[in-house]
Amino acid sequence: EDQVTQSPEALRLQEGESSSLNCSYTVSGLRGLFWYRQDPGKGPEFLFTLYSAGEEKEKERLKATLTKKESFLHITAPKPEDSATYLCAATTSGNTPLVFGKGTRLSVIA
Amino acid sequence: ETGVTQTPRHLVMGMTNKKSLKCEQHLGHNAMYWYKQSAKKPLELMFVYSLEERVENNSVPSRFSPECPNSSHLFLHLHTLQPEDSALYLCASSQEGSTSADYNEQFFGPGTRLTVL
Repeated sequence: EDQVTQSPEALRLQEGESSSLNCSYTVSGLRGLFWYRQDPGKGPEFLFTLYSAGEEKEKERLKATLTKKESFLHITAPKPEDSATYLCAATTSGNTPLVFGKGTRLSVIA
Repeated sequence: ETGVTQTPRHLVMGMTNKKSLKCEQHLGHNAMYWYKQSAKKPLELMFVYSLEERVENNSVPSRFSPECPNSSHLFLHLHTLQPEDSALYLCASSQEGSTSADYNEQFFGPGTRLTVL
């Protein structure tokens, strides 16, 4: 069964304290790995898509990387406005819909 | 209107009521989705309409009934719900293609917060 696991479940950082969120996946034939940000009471907002191991993408203080078994979302010098739940999802061969992880709830304290 | 819109944003209903959730996408996409989001659980895919074909998750109870009259509109009809159906219901859309490189990101609406009493 295809599975996506995110860790930690919750992360509390001081402003400026860099860290990484982990997304490990066990899927047959990964076609794409997606990162989303979700603020309370809102729908997920798309951040990145990664297609192959070794690929990296950056957006402001965020950088997403992909290996053959996991993806990392690196947050450099976070600010309080980066506080949100970050969701990881994978799509596999056969054009199947996304499989989501439970998310990591990030809190950045000023 | 831009992106994906959902109405109503909040809904409280009794177990014997019938109600409908509405989703509209203004992105020209060809696929639409319903998800259920409960606390401490991953997003659960409920239904997909892709290239005018419905893909159904067999574990969704029949008290949830989707309707997709055209590529821009998606409804979720609700009847005889249970308290455990209380959750955030999210609609999403995407542009699907025929190759692996065309499997694009999904854009989500703000959701409908449903409470079943």
